[in-house]
Amino acid sequence: DQQVKQNSPSLSVQEGRISILNCDYTNSMFDYFLWYKKYPAEGPTFLISISSIKDKNEDGRFTVFLNKSAKHLSLHIVPSQPGDSAVYFCAARDFAQGGSEKLVFGKGTKLTVNP
Amino acid sequence: EAQVTQNPRYLITVTGKKLTVTCSQNMNHEYMSWYRQDPGLGLRQIYYSMNVEVTDKGDVPEGYKVSRKEKRNFPLILESPSPNQTSLYFCASSFLIGTGRFAGANVLTFGAGSRLTVL
Repeated sequence: DQQVKQNSPSLSVQEGRISILNCDYTNSMFDYFLWYKKYPAEGPTFLISISSIKDKNEDGRFTVFLNKSAKHLSLHIVPSQPGDSAVYFCAARDFAQGGSEKLVFGKGTKLTVNP
Repeated sequence: EAQVTQNPRYLITVTGKKLTVTCSQNMNHEYMSWYRQDPGLGLRQIYYSMNVEVTDKGDVPEGYKVSRKEKRNFPLILESPSPNQTSLYFCASSFLIGTGRFAGANVLTFGAGSRLTVL
């Protein structure tokens, strides 16, 4: 049973516009959510995180929004740049499973930003 | 440079021939983990280690072994590889923030990946 879902395998946007990547989860014991970005032939790299006691976290062009009642989070990239083209993974930390060692990943969304 | 180093990066092998994928980190991280990435399945955890001599199964441990004899190294061992273990493997490490709720999110540093093909 998939606890972290990224229902859009791919997303294509125009340079300069907003990219919105979505993630849904089912486990109410998740206490942190993280986004990782992955370029081809490289490992994932951390992008931004949010605690479940917050509803927004912003870092430059990247903002993550959390809607706990809907069990939904989204990553906004504004403005989108061609260098943002990558696969984005949503991940959640399962506190009930022991804390910091248990991250559950979604399947990823491939973002393409067209010049 | 702080990094997680995996070797080999690419390997083609045959069914049943034992192989080891090495992983080493130079950040003095307590926590290390192995993931596999498959099309349509995302990243799935194979094994993880909280510290030296402490390892535990992740979500897909079948067919794999690990050891943590030193803090910096966490090799992944495939005793008898099979074609369904053809995958892209990632090693990752992090500090252990703590187990208290809202104590912090462990930010993993990933290696560049090892693409394994089992014929």
